[in-house]
Amino acid sequence: DAKTTQPTSMDCAEGRAANLPCNHSTISGNEYVYWYRQIHSQGPQYIIHGLKNNETNEMASLIITEDRKSSTLILPHATLRDTAVYYCIVRVSGGSQGNLIFGKGTKLSVKP
Amino acid sequence: KAGVTQTPRYLIKTRGQQVTLSCSPISGHRSVSWYQQTPGQGLQFLFEYFSETQRNKGNFPGRFSGRQFSNSRSEMNVSTLELGDSALYLCASSLTSGAPWKTQYFGPGTRLLVL
Repeated sequence: DAKTTQPTSMDCAEGRAANLPCNHSTISGNEYVYWYRQIHSQGPQYIIHGLKNNETNEMASLIITEDRKSSTLILPHATLRDTAVYYCIVRVSGGSQGNLIFGKGTKLSVKP
Repeated sequence: KAGVTQTPRYLIKTRGQQVTLSCSPISGHRSVSWYQQTPGQGLQFLFEYFSETQRNKGNFPGRFSGRQFSNSRSEMNVSTLELGDSALYLCASSLTSGAPWKTQYFGPGTRLLVL
């Protein structure tokens, strides 16, 4: 299973873009990159996912490098409510169907 | 439509007791996964159920078990509770099992404290 590496913590000013990096150098060709976040004392919330093309939705943008070994989650205009732990996850393929392996994540603090 | 619901939200037990946690997935979702979250270990996968069958199991002792009913609701049971079982237990539902594009929707969790 491909593992991910994320910085432990990051700060971002309110209203600015938050760019959260993730390394997944051992990702396989059929594995997707998922991003979740978890606000304190709540369950994780799905943000976005992608295979190799850049993706955008109402919450964020996902930029995946051409070699797929890293990606960046972009929150275009961070608000205080975006303060959370952000998890970058590579989808387990093959026999381990249906589960996601979470790492430690990046604690994003949005400051006024 | 309603999200994933988990009951109870908070629970206090003592060592040696057993506990049963319940999860109701989003209507139409047939896959339910369970996770344990602790400050030291982060989020760890327990098991996944799909169509009343356990599809995959994480690296937890046999004291942790689960089941899924025909209406896709799921329960997990922890027997002979230990202090280290104190954690937030999260349930996630999804439409199917194994589809690479699927997403999982998490419930609010059950916070278990073992004294």
